[in-house]
Amino acid sequence: GAGVSQSPSNKVTEKGKDVELRCDPISGHTALYWYRQSLGQGLEFLIYFQGNSAPDKSGLPSDRFSAERTGGSVSTLTIQRTQQEDSAVYLCASSSPARTDTQYFGPGTRLTVL
Amino acid sequence: DQQVKQNSPSLSVQEGRISILNCDYTNSMFDYFLWYKKYPAEGPTFLISISSIKDKNEDGRFTVFLNKSAKHLSLHIVPSQPGDSAVYFCAARIRGSNYKLTFGKGTLLTVNP
Repeated sequence: GAGVSQSPSNKVTEKGKDVELRCDPISGHTALYWYRQSLGQGLEFLIYFQGNSAPDKSGLPSDRFSAERTGGSVSTLTIQRTQQEDSAVYLCASSSPARTDTQYFGPGTRLTVL
Repeated sequence: DQQVKQNSPSLSVQEGRISILNCDYTNSMFDYFLWYKKYPAEGPTFLISISSIKDKNEDGRFTVFLNKSAKHLSLHIVPSQPGDSAVYFCAARIRGSNYKLTFGKGTLLTVNP
């Protein structure tokens, strides 16, 4: 595939359940980002992975949020004990190491917590 | 605390006319600015950027202007086309960070045929 892919495209869950969101970056892109867009808001930075370096987790809103990147490619964002305020579109992006200013976004996962 | 502000949630223009999308920022440490365009059910796509050492950058129908003293940038689309109808996000990057972007809330542009 040519672009960033994310799955699932939509996820409805009940409050208190855990969810996992997946991101497949563009092949060869060593930088990977997660953002969140809540209703009526801009994109909010969550976490950044670059190669084998320690990720920048400074945007994660609470310790219920975590992310992994296995083998330098696929990433999973996990939200534990989901709350209604976690409802948002979660966007993943990737970029080449030379052009971190140009981030390529996936279509997002719309998470709804009931 | 919104560091990047897009005060117009929506804008409607006629096909062929100019669209002007505005963005204000508060953090003087921002040194690189970008515009992204987003269609429904798709991720944002990069449109155009400008470094703080410039005051204008042009790419085809799209021009971005930066006024550092006013902490203001604008995106001009000339001529506007119906396919330009989308949400436009302004984003900024802090000096010294090569990846962390701060986004505005977006402006929905509608270009009417």
